[in-house]
Amino acid sequence: ETGVTQSPTHLIKTRGQQVTLRCSSQSGHNTVSWYQQALGQGPQFIFQYYREEENGRGNFPPRFSGLQFPNYSSELNVNALELDDSALYLCASSSPGQGEGTEAFFGQGTRLTVV
Amino acid sequence: AQSVTQLGSHVSVSEGALVLLRCNYSSSVPPYLFWYVQYPNQGLQLLLKYTTGATLVKGINGFEAEFKKSETSFHLTKPSAHMSDAAEYFCAVSTDRGSTLGRLYFGRGTQLTVWP
Repeated sequence: ETGVTQSPTHLIKTRGQQVTLRCSSQSGHNTVSWYQQALGQGPQFIFQYYREEENGRGNFPPRFSGLQFPNYSSELNVNALELDDSALYLCASSSPGQGEGTEAFFGQGTRLTVV
Repeated sequence: AQSVTQLGSHVSVSEGALVLLRCNYSSSVPPYLFWYVQYPNQGLQLLLKYTTGATLVKGINGFEAEFKKSETSFHLTKPSAHMSDAAEYFCAVSTDRGSTLGRLYFGRGTQLTVWP
């Protein structure tokens, strides 16, 4: 059973550019959530995808968008990058039906630096 | 609305000493509560979770936490700290039911340092 994998691990972008981050969910998981973890902060929920549809969104502007593919892998896209977008971006996969308090399994994250 | 407050951004203990990391939550409905650990340059690993039932929850690596509804707390403890416990610890709450499962609200984290 493979875990959650994210790519790339590190990325440097210039303000105003666009970026795409990728996540492969754990085998058998059909739900992917994305979180932003700024330095010294706890992770903040960006949005969640369930069976290729957005299924909940946190307090992030529309320039943060995503996709989920039929194999349940996912992409996070951020347009018009700002310096404050510099953070660790975490992907977590889970699967409804696992019982109460479904566990989210996290990837190792993508460290995005905007200069 | 849901929120989590972790008291103390940094906690230092000696090896072998008791570890106590504090977490208080706010939730309009019965919460699911979690503790995650994060090692440098790593993602989050689940230590333990409370859903329903027994309020004392045991997790991995000798950690445990007790859900106290009257105090809206979910403090994490370990009787004897080990050097390998040095990491960042996050408390999280989830109240979602149904299809939006696994959506978590995190505290700001507590950095645990263990001295030899």
